[in-house]
Amino acid sequence: ELKVEQNPLFLSMQEGKNYTIYCNYSTTSDRLYWYRQDPGKSLESLFVLLSNGAVKQEGRLMASLDTKARLSTLHITAAVHDLSATYFCAVEAGTASKLTFGTGTRLQVTL
Amino acid sequence: DVKVTQSSRYLVKRTGEKVFLECVQDMDHENMFWYRQDPGLGLRLIYFSYDVKMKEKGDIPEGYSVSREKKERFSLILESASTNQTSMYLCASSFPIGGHSNQPQHFGDGTRLSIL
Repeated sequence: ELKVEQNPLFLSMQEGKNYTIYCNYSTTSDRLYWYRQDPGKSLESLFVLLSNGAVKQEGRLMASLDTKARLSTLHITAAVHDLSATYFCAVEAGTASKLTFGTGTRLQVTL
Repeated sequence: DVKVTQSSRYLVKRTGEKVFLECVQDMDHENMFWYRQDPGLGLRLIYFSYDVKMKEKGDIPEGYSVSREKKERFSLILESASTNQTSMYLCASSFPIGGHSNQPQHFGDGTRLSIL
């Protein structure tokens, strides 16, 4: 059974600081997704990582995938308040397009 | 833009009622999914469907059933609602792995269901 672990579960950081969210998973997979969820809203796709060594960047967020270590990271550079949200990683295993989600990291960026 | 529409944002029902949650997508996606989201547990897959009239159990199917009579519509049914089914329910759709494998699942806005 595929298990996906995110840490930390909660992150409070000051504006301007850098931090990394980690996503570990338990079985082989070549597809990993990062989503953002604002309170009371649905999930918005941020990144799709499809191969070992994949790196994607959008603004202050950068995601990477190491399939050998079964690890993805979401790095936040010079955080701003607008990045406050819950971030989920999700791993797709097998051929059925099913996703297994991590429990999410609630990010709070303070002024 | 992909649009996944869930019929209700908020729903209040009573224990023992039969509850229907509807989801419609407009992107001709083959795959459709139902998740529930609970604090501290992330999203858990209830059922999914990869074609009309096809369905597969997810991780937590007990107490639920689904129906997919048309490609664009996927319904989640609580046969006899119980208080432990109070949750946020999210519908999603996607293309299958293959030609469109670089596209993520697209989610609806969610239905917050309360069972009293």
